Amino acid sequence: NAGVTQTPKFRVLKTGQSMTLLCAQDMNHEYMYWYRQDPGMGLRLIHYSVGEGTTAKGEVPDGYNVSRLKKQNFLLGLESAAPSQTSVYFCASSRQGRRGEQYFGPGTRLTVT
Amino acid sequence: GNSVTQMEGPVTLSEEAFLTINCTYTATGYPSLFWYVQYPGEGLQLLLKATKADDKGSNKGFEATYRKETTSFHLEKGSVQVSDSAVYFCALRTNSGGSNYKLTFGKGTLLTVNP
Repeated sequence: NAGVTQTPKFRVLKTGQSMTLLCAQDMNHEYMYWYRQDPGMGLRLIHYSVGEGTTAKGEVPDGYNVSRLKKQNFLLGLESAAPSQTSVYFCASSRQGRRGEQYFGPGTRLTVT
Repeated sequence: GNSVTQMEGPVTLSEEAFLTINCTYTATGYPSLFWYVQYPGEGLQLLLKATKADDKGSNKGFEATYRKETTSFHLEKGSVQVSDSAVYFCALRTNSGGSNYKLTFGKGTLLTVNP
């Protein structure tokens, strides 16, 4: 049982380049989330999805887009990377309802130069 | 809005020392409260949780009690080990309305335990 997996683990981009981070979960969870983690800031929610084909903005959505074409996958896209997007990105998933605790992936460390 | 405030780190302790990491919160309604742990190079793992006032969550020797009167959820462990070295995050989730699945995190507290 893999849980939540993220690809890639590390990436270095130049300013203006684009990339997509992939999150996959095998727990049949309805909800999925993308967070970024910055020193001294804790985790901040970028976008989330409450089901296949639906997405919504979180706390810090600017500069990112997401898609949830399949229930098990949640993609995070950076169309034109900026140095301010240097961060560690975590994906999480949970089942529906109040008792759904969030399970986190191992993270993607992104550096934008 | 919701917010979580944790004591700032880093916290450095010797093995077998007593640990307290303070966490207070602001939220509407009756949130659920969580402690997550992040070991070096890994994602977050749920350590313990409490879903209503006076509940005590416990796991791996760690405990935290949901105190509604003081809006607190302090993490404690009686005797820490080197393997407890990690970053600890306090978090809350509201249990009503349209955002009852989103977590609000504190900034995290780095704990280092020396042998």
